[in-house]
Amino acid sequence: DADVTQTPRNRITKTGKRIMLECSQTKGHDRMYWYRQDPGLGLRLIYYSFDVKDINKGEISDGYSVSRQAQAKFSLSLESAIPNQTALYFCATSEGNEKLFFGSGTQLSVL
Amino acid sequence: GENVEQHPSTLSVQEGDSAVIKCTYSDSASNYFPWYKQELGKRPQLIIDIRSNVGEKKDQRIAVTLNKTAKHFSLHITETQPEDSAVYFCAASMGFQKLVFGTGTRLLVSP
Repeated sequence: DADVTQTPRNRITKTGKRIMLECSQTKGHDRMYWYRQDPGLGLRLIYYSFDVKDINKGEISDGYSVSRQAQAKFSLSLESAIPNQTALYFCATSEGNEKLFFGSGTQLSVL
Repeated sequence: GENVEQHPSTLSVQEGDSAVIKCTYSDSASNYFPWYKQELGKRPQLIIDIRSNVGEKKDQRIAVTLNKTAKHFSLHITETQPEDSAVYFCAASMGFQKLVFGTGTRLLVSP
């Protein structure tokens, strides 16, 4: 089945380190998103991309950057990780009808 | 920008009872209102959605109602079952723009 795959599933890193979370999809969707989930705060949008040459900031983009390497790949980078970036990160895709398909998530812990 | 508030944050019911989760939105131009269910350790998945030209939509035991004048929408689950236990997120968007999510409701259905 077509899916949205995130790597790694879990990551522990130290303050100040640069890390990259990767997302790939076989759904053939043009639109890709990165969300962050924190308890009590719901899902907040970090960045989104409507096609390969399009990158847009979301609600909470400070401290993050993204790269859309291909239609199927969208990576999220933390240039210098800090403890309050500890969260569950989801990649998602959509084909323009607004329904989101989420990946399985990456639990990131910054010590 | 759009702001979505969701209540309650936690809801406990007995199996067979009904459950209602309510959301309000701020942008009167929003016209798409989905609900996502996230089971423990899993990714969020769309369970039902409604557009602004419809006042109510049902799918078996799940229904969503929309009041555009008051700018609020609700999820109704009837005859709840233990497998309905999960976190539910409402969201709102305008056209094909990005979704803004509520903070989530943890529903616990006790046998």
